[in-house]
Amino acid sequence: EAQVTQNPRYLITVTGKKLTVTCSQNMNHEYMSWYRQDPGLGLRQIYYSMNVEVTDKGDVPEGYKVSRKEKRNFPLILESPSPNQTSLYFCASSFLGTRTDTQYFGPGTRLTVL
Amino acid sequence: KQEVTQIPAALSVPEGENLVLNCSFTDSAIYNLQWFRQDPGKGLTSLLLIQSSQREQTSGRLNASLDKSSGRSTLYIAASQPGDSATYLCAVNFGNEKLTFGTGTRLTIIP
Repeated sequence: EAQVTQNPRYLITVTGKKLTVTCSQNMNHEYMSWYRQDPGLGLRQIYYSMNVEVTDKGDVPEGYKVSRKEKRNFPLILESPSPNQTSLYFCASSFLGTRTDTQYFGPGTRLTVL
Repeated sequence: KQEVTQIPAALSVPEGENLVLNCSFTDSAIYNLQWFRQDPGKGLTSLLLIQSSQREQTSGRLNASLDKSSGRSTLYIAASQPGDSATYLCAVNFGNEKLTFGTGTRLTIIP
């Protein structure tokens, strides 16, 4: 089944404890991205990647890191999480990017930082 | 500033009715517009993608229209069913490598 998977689905952590949220797709997509969703603000892009080893900042990259070492994986890293990073996070992918293609989203990761 | 707006934030209609969801955007120079459905715990599901050169797209009971000159899109749902209850999100690509989302319309179909 073609899908985007994220792990974990739910995570409660404390301020400053490094964490990684994984994202994997099995559709051989070149483009992957991360969004966060907050009430009243909609989804906002954090980072995106056009291909392996090619990443760029979105609208709200502060406090986050990403890497793209393999085509199928695009992990989101929070080196020192803070309470304002409590949010619902979505990974998305497509063949060529948002200008032309339908975006496929993962099920989301709900993160709480205490 | 490039923005996407969806009004109303919530809508309730009786089962069987036809309904229209609205989306407006501030910049007419768009590449495409996409409608998504969001169910709790299940992420976003793409419903329809309209490229800038298109006026509408249809899938089953769903029809999405695009009017770039007025900065508007509508999602028409025919013969609504309780299973259509969800939050519907409109997202626009303004020519960069991201989607700009509206805050959604939460739709409830009353049996």
